[in-house]
Amino acid sequence: SQTIHQWPATLVQPVGSPLSLECTVEGTSNPNLYWYRQAAGRGLQLLFYSVGIGQISSEVPQNLSASRPQDRQFILSSKKLLLSDSGFYLCAWTLASTDTQYFGPGTRLTVL
Amino acid sequence: GEDVEQSLFLSVREGDSSVINCTYTDSSSTYLYWYKQEPGAGLQLLTYIFSNMDMKQDQRLTVLLNKKDKHLSLRIADTQTGDSAIYFCADYHLQGGKLIFGQGTELSVKP
Repeated sequence: SQTIHQWPATLVQPVGSPLSLECTVEGTSNPNLYWYRQAAGRGLQLLFYSVGIGQISSEVPQNLSASRPQDRQFILSSKKLLLSDSGFYLCAWTLASTDTQYFGPGTRLTVL
Repeated sequence: GEDVEQSLFLSVREGDSSVINCTYTDSSSTYLYWYKQEPGAGLQLLTYIFSNMDMKQDQRLTVLLNKKDKHLSLRIADTQTGDSAIYFCADYHLQGGKLIFGQGTELSVKP
């Protein structure tokens, strides 16, 4: 069966520091991968999605970037964090042939 | 534009039925989803319905879809305290190839 992992579970970082969040999927090949941010207001904002290695689509221009160095690995990064980057970051995957998205456990990021 | 709307809060008593409503605007929707989010956790897929169906039942969950009115509902029978969570409606847009989420309905179950 397929599982999705996110690392770390929680993170507290100072403003201006770099960021790297990792998402990995097991038990499937060539998934579509997604990064969402859930701010305190509860709504989910799609940040990036990827349909294959090295292929990244950005939904919202901002302080963050994403990379997909391997088929089942999706990285969310920032060179310099802002206070507004605080939130709950969720990774999701889907098979290219289907629409159903499955979510990881999330990473709680607090920028101080 | 693309929009999915839900009421923000619902409170019910344990053992009652809960009905969570959702409206969407996109007429090209193919699948509509219900996700559950417990505090501090990711989103758990509860159920989904294809746009050419009008009802789907899965144990205590019943999904009703009124495509004409673009209205989706999730009914939870015999609601338990463990059902307390935020429930998200999501609409898959064939043209954009992405899920559009509502703001979530926080269900509070009182004993």
